[in-house]
Amino acid sequence: KQEVTQIPAALSVPEGENLVLNCSFTDSAIYNLQWFRQDPGKGLTSLLLIQSSQREQTSGRLNASLDKSSGRSTLYIAASQPGDSATYLCAVMDSNYQLIWGAGTKLIIKP
Amino acid sequence: GAVVSQHPSRVICKSGTSVKIECRSLDFQATTMFWYRQFPKQSLMLMATSNEGSKATYEQGVEKDKFLINHASLTLSTLTVTSAHPEDSSFYICSAHPSANYGYTFGSGTRLTVV
Repeated sequence: KQEVTQIPAALSVPEGENLVLNCSFTDSAIYNLQWFRQDPGKGLTSLLLIQSSQREQTSGRLNASLDKSSGRSTLYIAASQPGDSATYLCAVMDSNYQLIWGAGTKLIIKP
Repeated sequence: GAVVSQHPSRVICKSGTSVKIECRSLDFQATTMFWYRQFPKQSLMLMATSNEGSKATYEQGVEKDKFLINHASLTLSTLTVTSAHPEDSSFYICSAHPSANYGYTFGSGTRLTVV
């Protein structure tokens, strides 16, 4: 059974710092991995999608990597801003096309 | 592309009444849509998988008769909360994906408050 774990559960850093959020999964048989962002009381915004054959994806200040063999993905945020404060969720699409979710990392960027 | 629209964004209803939430895929066809529920400060919980033209698949512990799902077309799925009670107050979110290669897109969510 696929399990997804996100570390840390919460993170608070000063504005301007670069940071890394971690996601690990137990079964390497995945179609893809997605990183989402959720603001309080809001829906989910897809940030990056990495196909199982890919190693990384970049969008602006965000970079996501995928190491399928070791069951790990990282989300790198460069030059963090207060507007980056949100909960970041990692989800893998398993062989049944179902999304398996991590519990999320709550990120606070202090001005 | 791959936009999912969800309505209403917020609804307040009286206990005992029913509420319908719509989820539409605007620029793609979705044979399958997913309904989630999220309580405050908790993770998303998958409630059911909506299948176009057939019965929905419900997760364990989700009452089929209370949460009615209809997926009558390739672009529309509806979730009806029947005989709503205060404990049904939650954030409901739908999602879909054009294909396995595309990833999932989520609606903006519906905040349901039952008074």
